[in-house]
Amino acid sequence: DAKTTQPPSMDCAEGRAANLPCNHSTISGNEYVYWYRQIHSQGPQYIIHGLKNNETNEMASLIITEDRKSSTLILPHATLRDTAVYYCIVRSSTSYGKLTFGQGTILTVHP
Amino acid sequence: GAVVSQHPSWVICKSGTSVKIECRSLDFQATTMFWYRQFPKQSLMLMATSNEGSKATYEQGVEKDKFLINHASLTLSTLTVTSAHPEDSSFYICSARNPEALAATQYFGPGTRLTVL
Repeated sequence: DAKTTQPPSMDCAEGRAANLPCNHSTISGNEYVYWYRQIHSQGPQYIIHGLKNNETNEMASLIITEDRKSSTLILPHATLRDTAVYYCIVRSSTSYGKLTFGQGTILTVHP
Repeated sequence: GAVVSQHPSWVICKSGTSVKIECRSLDFQATTMFWYRQFPKQSLMLMATSNEGSKATYEQGVEKDKFLINHASLTLSTLTVTSAHPEDSSFYICSARNPEALAATQYFGPGTRLTVL
């Protein structure tokens, strides 16, 4: 599986955009980039995923660089409820597509 | 989005007893489910991959005789922690892969907190 690198922690002011970076320089051509988040003592929540093109849904936007070696998750208007650990994961193309979690980024949204 | 449930949400048991945790996909059929374990302040660690109608695939270091997995239907997988000991106390989380979703996205259950006394 391609490994990912994320900053251990980030802060963001409420109402501002939160931009969470992820490096995945060894990603293969058929591997997707997934983002999940985990609020304390809950199961991870799916946010968004992408392959090559930028993606947007009701929760966030995903910007993938043209060489696919890095991506950025954007929460356009962060709220206090967005405080969580955010995981960037590259999905394996083998072994039934299992997800391997790294340490993620602890995003703290403050008033 | 797809819904995955787990039962129970928390359980406390005595050392030496067995505990069963259920994982259900409520609005889709999941041929593949996954079981994870998470210790405090650590990330999720995959324990095993559960495939409907066949034996589970365990990750290196996970004892298959201690963590019994059954995936008897397309919407239900169970994890049984046999002869539980205090070191098995952890947060157990399942996920289900929705084959109909784009890129077969995985959806996670809310987790089960196991405390072994």
